[in-house]
Amino acid sequence: DQQVKQNSPSLSVQEGRISILNCDYTNSMFDYFLWYKKYPAEGPTFLISISSIKDKNEDGRFTVFLNKSAKHLSLHIVPSQPGDSAVYFCAAWGYNFNKFYFGSGTKLNVKP
Amino acid sequence: GAVVSQHPSWVICKSGTSVKIECRSLDFQATTMFWYRQFPKQSLMLMATSNEGSKATYEQGVEKDKFLINHASLTLSTLTVTSAHPEDSSFYICSAITAVDALNEQFFGPGTRLTVL
Repeated sequence: DQQVKQNSPSLSVQEGRISILNCDYTNSMFDYFLWYKKYPAEGPTFLISISSIKDKNEDGRFTVFLNKSAKHLSLHIVPSQPGDSAVYFCAAWGYNFNKFYFGSGTKLNVKP
Repeated sequence: GAVVSQHPSWVICKSGTSVKIECRSLDFQATTMFWYRQFPKQSLMLMATSNEGSKATYEQGVEKDKFLINHASLTLSTLTVTSAHPEDSSFYICSAITAVDALNEQFFGPGTRLTVL
C-alpha cells in the first residue's frame, strides 16, 4: 500500500525558472512531511520539512506547501539552478507509525 | 551535518553466500537506525527499524531470518543478507536518527550496492 505517492517520475525545467515537485498522501494521521534530495549512488540528504499543523515553510530558494484537505504537498524551488538536478523524495512521518514512508521520487533536470 | 558511513560501498558475491553491511554514525549516537532497500527507479522501501540493544522491527514481507539486523551499540548497526540470491541484488541504504523528535535529523548513509551472481 503506497501511502505516499509522487506521480511524476521526472521533471525538466530551465535554469532560473520555478521547479514544482508534487507529492500526495493517503493517511491523514501523518505528523510531518519531509523532502530529501538524492544524487546517484549516494544516500538522500534532508532538504526541508513541514509540520502537519502548518501550510507553508520556506528556506531560501525552497518552499514547501501543505494542503491537508487535498492531502497534497509540493516543493517549490525558485530560481532553479543546474546543481538542483537530482532525484527528490517526499516522505511522511507519523508518531503512531514511528517510521518514514517515502514516495517513489521525481528526477529533476535543470537545464542551463 | 552529522555523518553516517556504510561499508562496503559495493559488493559482488556468489549466490548462497552471506554478506554483512555495516552502518556507523560517526559523530553522534543514534538511538534508532533504519534499513532501506531501493530498487531501480523506485522508492526507498523500509526493511526494518533497529533500536540499540533490542530486536529489530521488521516490515511486513521482509524475512527476518534472511536479513539479520544487529544494533550492538549506539553507533553501529549491521545488516547481514544470508544465503544471498540474485533477487537480493539491490541498493541498501541505512539511516540514523538521534531522537524521535528530531525527524529532520535523519542522516542517511551513502548506500551499499549489492550484486549477487
